Amino acid sequence: AQSVTQPDIHITVSEGASLELRCNYSYGATPYLFWYVQSPGQGLQLLLKYFSGDTLVQGIKGFEAEFKRSQSSFNLRKPSVHWSDAAEYFCAVGATSNDYKLSFGAGTTVTVRA
Amino acid sequence: NAGVMQNPRHLVRRRGQEARLRCSPMKGHSHVYWYRQLPEEGLKFMVYLQKENIIDESGMPKERFSAEFPKEGPSILRIQQVVRGDSAAYFCASSPRGRVEEKLFFGSGTQLSVL
Repeated sequence: AQSVTQPDIHITVSEGASLELRCNYSYGATPYLFWYVQSPGQGLQLLLKYFSGDTLVQGIKGFEAEFKRSQSSFNLRKPSVHWSDAAEYFCAVGATSNDYKLSFGAGTTVTVRA
Repeated sequence: NAGVMQNPRHLVRRRGQEARLRCSPMKGHSHVYWYRQLPEEGLKFMVYLQKENIIDESGMPKERFSAEFPKEGPSILRIQQVVRGDSAAYFCASSPRGRVEEKLFFGSGTQLSVL
């Protein structure tokens, strides 16, 4: 079974600074990879996903993520954070195109300071 | 075009009572998933349903928990004889065809608190 690790529980970043959230997965083949964001009191919203092709994927809200097979990683980045980016971020993995279940990491909470 | 609707947003139950959580998927979506989020943890898959069918309930506790998605009406997650350990946020998601590469649309969740 696949698993997902988000090593950072909490990250604090200044507004305008860059942000990188780490995600490592454990799976034998190339998984289906996702990043979701959860704002307080809200459901999860998909930021971006990777299935195949270009390993650098662009998402909504100025986010991007890079798939690195050699490191089993799918880190999320944003060049310049805004106060509205304060939220909890979840990395998730699905095993195959027929796998309807996602495995989620424990999440990283991002705090943005002025 | 309303999104995934879950109600209630907050539900308080005493130990031993029943909890019923409702989820109306997005219009046109016939695949519903329930996830549970315990404090300090990520979401854990519980059950996957299509209209009138349970496809996979491998993530759901064998006792006290049940789910349904009738032909008409919302999907219901039912927890009988709740215990304190059931306190969590329960999220429902829906998709058009039930394939992992599809975008899952999540509701805002139901926060269950068991006293």
